Amino acid sequence: GNSVTQMEGPVTLSEEAFLTINCTYTATGYPSLFWYVQYPGEGLQLLLKATKADDKGSNKGFEATYRKETTSFHLEKGSVQVSDSAVYFCAAGGGTSYGKLTFGQGTILTVHP
Amino acid sequence: DADVTQTPRNRITKTGKRIMLECSQTKGHDRMYWYRQDPGLGLRLIYYSFDVKDINKGEISDGYSVSRQAQAKFSLSLESAIPNQTALYFCATSAPSSGGVNEQFFGPGTRLTVL
Repeated sequence: GNSVTQMEGPVTLSEEAFLTINCTYTATGYPSLFWYVQYPGEGLQLLLKATKADDKGSNKGFEATYRKETTSFHLEKGSVQVSDSAVYFCAAGGGTSYGKLTFGQGTILTVHP
Repeated sequence: DADVTQTPRNRITKTGKRIMLECSQTKGHDRMYWYRQDPGLGLRLIYYSFDVKDINKGEISDGYSVSRQAQAKFSLSLESAIPNQTALYFCATSAPSSGGVNEQFFGPGTRLTVL
């Protein structure tokens, strides 16, 4: 099956700072990769995804590129806002883990004004 | 109205009690999933179902059972609750994918506390 490792957190930034949250995966086959975001008191919602090598997913100013050579899918945003404060989860799915997602441990992001 | 709903949203119970968590969806998806979330551990898959007649164990199914009553309904039961089952529980749905996995849509979660 797949496994996903995220950088340890929590991450605390000032507004307008640059954000990187690292994510690496191990998989047999070619998984699809996802970033989900969980705002306080809510369920997870999809932030972006990529389905094959070198694909770039983007949404709301966030970006992540599927790097097969480094088995990574790092999340970046050039200028964070207070409203980006949330928990971010990297996930891998498909390949030999048909129909299932494997999640990383989550990274808590707090952005201060 | 929410596409994926969970009831109850919060539940406090005692060790040894039987608990059922319910999930309903209006997205028309065949695939449904139950996860638990614990701090520092991310989400872990308990059970999943690809259609009404298909039930599969996930990575942490011990102590849990499920029932897929209809395409839209997927219930999770704790037959005899224990304190280490205290967690946030999420239901999710997805459409089938020829390539293996599609986006999953999550409910708002049920916070369960076992005393």
